[in-house]
Amino acid sequence: DAKTTQPNSMESNEEEPVHLPCNHSTISGTDYIHWYRQLPSQGPEYVIHGLTSNVNNRMASLAIAEDRKSSTLILHRATLRDAAVYYCILPDSGGSNYKLTFGKGTLLTVNP
Amino acid sequence: GAVVSQHPSRVICKSGTSVKIECRSLDFQATTMFWYRQFPKQSLMLMATSNEGSKATYEQGVEKDKFLINHASLTLSTLTVTSAHPEDSSFYICSARTFLWDEQFFGPGTRLTVL
Repeated sequence: DAKTTQPNSMESNEEEPVHLPCNHSTISGTDYIHWYRQLPSQGPEYVIHGLTSNVNNRMASLAIAEDRKSSTLILHRATLRDAAVYYCILPDSGGSNYKLTFGKGTLLTVNP
Repeated sequence: GAVVSQHPSRVICKSGTSVKIECRSLDFQATTMFWYRQFPKQSLMLMATSNEGSKATYEQGVEKDKFLINHASLTLSTLTVTSAHPEDSSFYICSARTFLWDEQFFGPGTRLTVL
């Protein structure tokens, strides 16, 4: 499965936008880009996913580069509850199980 | 989003005993469930994948006789840690998905402490 690269940590201020980058230079044409986040002492939470076009939902936006070698998760107004580890994942779609391989992710700190 | 529950949320047991953890999809039928383990300050590691009615597929290095997985229905999967030892102490997390969705939905996790 394709690998992703994310910064270890990022910091933001409350109510400001946050742009979390992810590089996936070996992505294949059929790989979806998924984002999950994990708050302290909780299970991960699905955030958003996309293939080629930019995607928006109530939690975030996903901007995908034209060559698909990178993407950016955008939190439009960070809150203290957005402090979490954010994982950018390209699921292994071999077979039909869609396995997720979690890397180290980006630890987002939100300052009040 | 869909809801996945885990029970218990926390368990403490003596070395050598077995512990069962339940994972339930509450509002959807899960064709596939996954079990992960997470040690402190580390990322999630996939242990096994189970499809309803089939034997689980274990990741390399995970002992299938030690971590017994049963996925008997479309809403329930169980993980039994047999003959637990202190090194099995960890945060165990399940997730579930259906073939209709690309995303996985995760349970809140179970903290296992083996004394």
